[in-house]
Amino acid sequence: AQSVTQPDIHITVSEGASLELRCNYSYGATPYLFWYVQSPGQGLQLLLKYFSGDTLVQGIKGFEAEFKRSQSSFNLRKPSVHWSDAAEYFCAVGFSGGYNKLIFGAGTRLAVHP
Amino acid sequence: DTGVSQDPRHKITKRGQNVTFRCDPISEHNRLYWYRQTLGQGPEFLTYFQNEAQLEKSRLLSDRFSAERPKGSFSTLEIQRTEQGDSAMYLCAAGDLLNTGELFFGEGSRLTVL
Repeated sequence: AQSVTQPDIHITVSEGASLELRCNYSYGATPYLFWYVQSPGQGLQLLLKYFSGDTLVQGIKGFEAEFKRSQSSFNLRKPSVHWSDAAEYFCAVGFSGGYNKLIFGAGTRLAVHP
Repeated sequence: DTGVSQDPRHKITKRGQNVTFRCDPISEHNRLYWYRQTLGQGPEFLTYFQNEAQLEKSRLLSDRFSAERPKGSFSTLEIQRTEQGDSAMYLCAAGDLLNTGELFFGEGSRLTVL
């Protein structure tokens, strides 16, 4: 069965430090990949998406993610974290066979120290 | 503002009571999704509509759950004979995954079953 794994439940970084959030998926073909962010009391917001083409995708708020087929991964990165980036981040996958819904990982909660 | 409104934002009910949640997306989204999110987990797919047709239901959606989208615009999710295990955040999303790859999420309706 298809699945999405976010290995890190909590991550804490200092403001200005770099960030990488991990995401791995299990599927036999190339999926469609997404990262969403959820701030307290707010709805999920799309950060970026990968459908095909260039495996390094740029998103909003200075985030980027790289699709690595050999590792079944789609890790999210940011070179310099701001205090406002503290939130919960979800990796999500849409599969070509049933591409009418998203399957989400369990999320990674990011805390930012001043 | 994602263009997806949910009501009520928070509902507290006693076990055994029925509850209904409403989702209002902006008109151009012909696909509408319901997800459930429990503490520390990512959103789990419940069901999805294209216009007024309910095209897929998760096994998570027991017989006590029913969803409708009568005119292809707003949608309702009803839970009958609520149980404590139904306590969760119920998220509505709308969008066109196949073309734009983006779902717009509402802020959710939090259900607490006492």
